[in-house]
Amino acid sequence: NAGVTQTPKFQVLKTGQSMTLQCAQDMNHEYMSWYRQDPGMGLRLIHYSVGAGITDQGEVPNGYNVSRSTTEDFPLRLLSAAPSQTSVYFCASSYSKRGGTEAFFGQGTRLTVV
Amino acid sequence: GESVGLHLPTLSVQEGDNSIINCAYSNSASDYFIWYKQESGKGPQFIIDIRSNMDKRQGQRVTVLLNKTVKHLSLQIAATQPGDSAVYFCAENMVTGTALIFGKGTTLSVSS
Repeated sequence: NAGVTQTPKFQVLKTGQSMTLQCAQDMNHEYMSWYRQDPGMGLRLIHYSVGAGITDQGEVPNGYNVSRSTTEDFPLRLLSAAPSQTSVYFCASSYSKRGGTEAFFGQGTRLTVV
Repeated sequence: GESVGLHLPTLSVQEGDNSIINCAYSNSASDYFIWYKQESGKGPQFIIDIRSNMDKRQGQRVTVLLNKTVKHLSLQIAATQPGDSAVYFCAENMVTGTALIFGKGTTLSVSS
């Protein structure tokens, strides 16, 4: 029972490089989302998706792109990495249940941009 | 700005004590709140949730209280154990079932 799987766990990039953070879920959840977590901060929403082919911006979308071609996968792309994007990134999948929702998080990707 | 936040960044308790972690929110239209626990190096884990039509909800050793008048949430942990040491976040749904808005978090430290 994998749940939400994020790869890689750690990554170091040089300023200006691009990369894709992978996220896959095997729970057949409709909703997926990406967050970043900086020291002393809560998680801030980057982008989210309510289903295959549908994405929307969260609180801090600049510098990131997403796509949702399948229910299972929700990759996050950094187009041109900047030191300000050094953070821990969490992917979550969620579903609606009676009274609200429940979200399941991956283990995170620790990204350093030098 | 953030619509969900926590009052205190850290809380230290002795094993066996009861812990109370607080959270204030600013969006009076929010109708669903969740508490998460995050251990070091891990993603957040769901603890308990509450809808705005409730004042209190109990789980195993945890209770969430909601005061809509003052827009305040609290998480009570009974008989706190060392394994409860973690960062605790409150969060609210943007739109039910889609994504969450998190507060900054409270670090709970439990000493034996």
